[in-house]
Amino acid sequence: AQSVTQPDIHITVSEGASLELRCNYSYGATPYLFWYVQSPGQGLQLLLKYFSGDTLVQGIKGFEAEFKRSQSSFNLRKPSVHWSDAAEYFCAVGDPQAAGNKLTFGGGTRVLVKP
Amino acid sequence: EAGVTQFPSHSVIEKGQTVTLRCDPISGHDNLYWYRRVMGKEIKFLLHFVKESKQDESGMPNNRFLAERTGGTYSTLKVQPAELEDSGVYFCASSQDRRRYEQYFGPGTRLTVT
Repeated sequence: AQSVTQPDIHITVSEGASLELRCNYSYGATPYLFWYVQSPGQGLQLLLKYFSGDTLVQGIKGFEAEFKRSQSSFNLRKPSVHWSDAAEYFCAVGDPQAAGNKLTFGGGTRVLVKP
Repeated sequence: EAGVTQFPSHSVIEKGQTVTLRCDPISGHDNLYWYRRVMGKEIKFLLHFVKESKQDESGMPNNRFLAERTGGTYSTLKVQPAELEDSGVYFCASSQDRRRYEQYFGPGTRLTVT
């Protein structure tokens, strides 16, 4: 069965500093990969996704993620964080072989932004 | 275009009571998903509808949970009788068939069972 690990439960970063959130997955082949963000009181919003092709993926709000097959990782990055980036971030995988398209999520990383 | 909506946003019930959660997907989205996040744990898949049919209900924890999607529009998730371990946030998501992995999530319903 596939699984997703987000090693960092909380990260605190200063506004303007760079941010990197880690995501590792366990799956027999290359899964579909996603990053979602949940701001307070909001639903999960899709930041970016990877299906195939270029391993560096650009998303919304200035985020990018890099798929590294050798490390089974899909880390999320942002060069300069804004106070509005304070939220909880979820990495998720989908199984390309499955008909149901369900997502498997990591435990989430809560990001705090210091002024 | 309205997003996925869920009702209620919060529900507090006593153990043994019944609660019904509702999800209204984005209009035209045939695929509807329920997920749940129990406190401190990851978001977990519960089930998937394609129109009114259950495509995958492998994540439903037990027979106290009943999901329906009559007419292929909105969906309800009933918990009867509720137990303490059912507390958590219940998310609904929907997607169009041709872009199946573009799942759009609602804000969730926070269920507290006391």
